[in-house]
Amino acid sequence: GQNIDQPTEMTATEGAIVQINCTYQTSGFNGLFWYQQHAGEAPTFLSYNVLDGLEEKGRFSSFLSRSKGYSYLLLKELQMKDSASYLCAVLDSNYQLIWGAGTKLIIKP
Amino acid sequence: ETGVTQTPRHLVMGMTNKKSLKCEQHLGHNAMYWYKQSAKKPLELMFVYSLEERVENNSVPSRFSPECPNSSHLFLHLHTLQPEDSALYLCASSQDRVPESYNEQFFGPGTRLTVL
Repeated sequence: GQNIDQPTEMTATEGAIVQINCTYQTSGFNGLFWYQQHAGEAPTFLSYNVLDGLEEKGRFSSFLSRSKGYSYLLLKELQMKDSASYLCAVLDSNYQLIWGAGTKLIIKP
Repeated sequence: ETGVTQTPRHLVMGMTNKKSLKCEQHLGHNAMYWYKQSAKKPLELMFVYSLEERVENNSVPSRFSPECPNSSHLFLHLHTLQPEDSALYLCASSQDRVPESYNEQFFGPGTRLTVL
């Protein structure tokens, strides 16, 4: 079966750095997405990786290793507004998105 | 209106009721999706429409019935639901169903459904 694993919850301090990991086992791979979802709101797109390596976008970076079936989302200079759930999703060989259950990130002052 | 909108935002219904969820996208996209989101579970893809044709139906019970009258509108008709169907129902759209390159999905705010 297809599976996406990410931690259920993480806590970090304002101003610090946090890394949210995602491992996947899917039938085929056509890219990996990270979405952010604030409580009671719609998920919003953060990043897309299809090649190995690091993609940087402001305070957020996303890394992919296809051989290891592994990705992480790195958030720097954490702000209180970064408190949200972070969803990892993989596009499989049928171009269907397989979603993880999400990581709830709690930022403390 | 911009982006993806959904109505109603909240819905409480009894098991014998019939109701409909509405989704509208103002992005000129060709593909639309219904997802179910339950607490601490992955998003579950329910239905996919591409150019108004249903292309996927992921073993969803028949008490959920989708309708896509045009590429901008998507409905989810509900009847004789069960309490375990209580969840957040999200609509999303993307430029195309099968991308030539990455193809992010744009989500609506969701309908919080409670079945009594």
